[in-house]
Amino acid sequence: AQTVTQSQPEMSVQEAETVTLSCTYDTSESNYYLFWYKQPPSRQMILVIRQEAYKQQNATENRFSVNFQKAAKSFSLKISDSQLGDTAMYFCAFMKYASGSRLTFGEGTQLTVNP
Amino acid sequence: EAGVAQSPRYKIIEKRQSVAFWCNPISGHATLYWYQQILGQGPKLLIQFQNNGVVDDSQLPKDRFSAERLKGVDSTLKIQPAKLEDSAVYLCASSLDLTNGGYTFGSGTRLTVV
Repeated sequence: AQTVTQSQPEMSVQEAETVTLSCTYDTSESNYYLFWYKQPPSRQMILVIRQEAYKQQNATENRFSVNFQKAAKSFSLKISDSQLGDTAMYFCAFMKYASGSRLTFGEGTQLTVNP
Repeated sequence: EAGVAQSPRYKIIEKRQSVAFWCNPISGHATLYWYQQILGQGPKLLIQFQNNGVVDDSQLPKDRFSAERLKGVDSTLKIQPAKLEDSAVYLCASSLDLTNGGYTFGSGTRLTVV
């Protein structure tokens, strides 16, 4: 079974600064996906960024980028130029690369961006 | 495209009562998931459908929870009888491609059992 661990229950950052959220996972799979989801108070899960394990290049999406260390089973999210709208709960998630796979989520990190 | 629709948005019931949640996935999405998210925790899969067949219900407490997906479109999740520990947000998600993680989530139903 896969496990996902987020060791930072809460984090805060000043507007326009950079923040990094941590995530580690445990799996025996060689092919898989990793995700960061954002959950604002509206409760809807919004995909922030996705990384395929077979790709060595770290994924980036505008202000969001990841540091994927496959050997260390680490997958951190960096948010640059933080904005007030980034305030939300952030979840790291794992999915096996197989048909019909489920998402396994971490416990989440509450990020607050302060003005 | 329209998103994943869920109703009701909120529900408060007394323990031992029954409750049902409804989900309408994105048109054409064959796979539908129900997740339970207890306050302060990450979502956990309850059941997964592929069209109208169950793919995975290993985490579903079958003594009180049931779910169906008639005609491979809408789905209903039922709890009977409810317990205090069932208080949570119930999220529905759907996906088209099974291997790219292209999930779309609904806004969930917040259930409070008193």
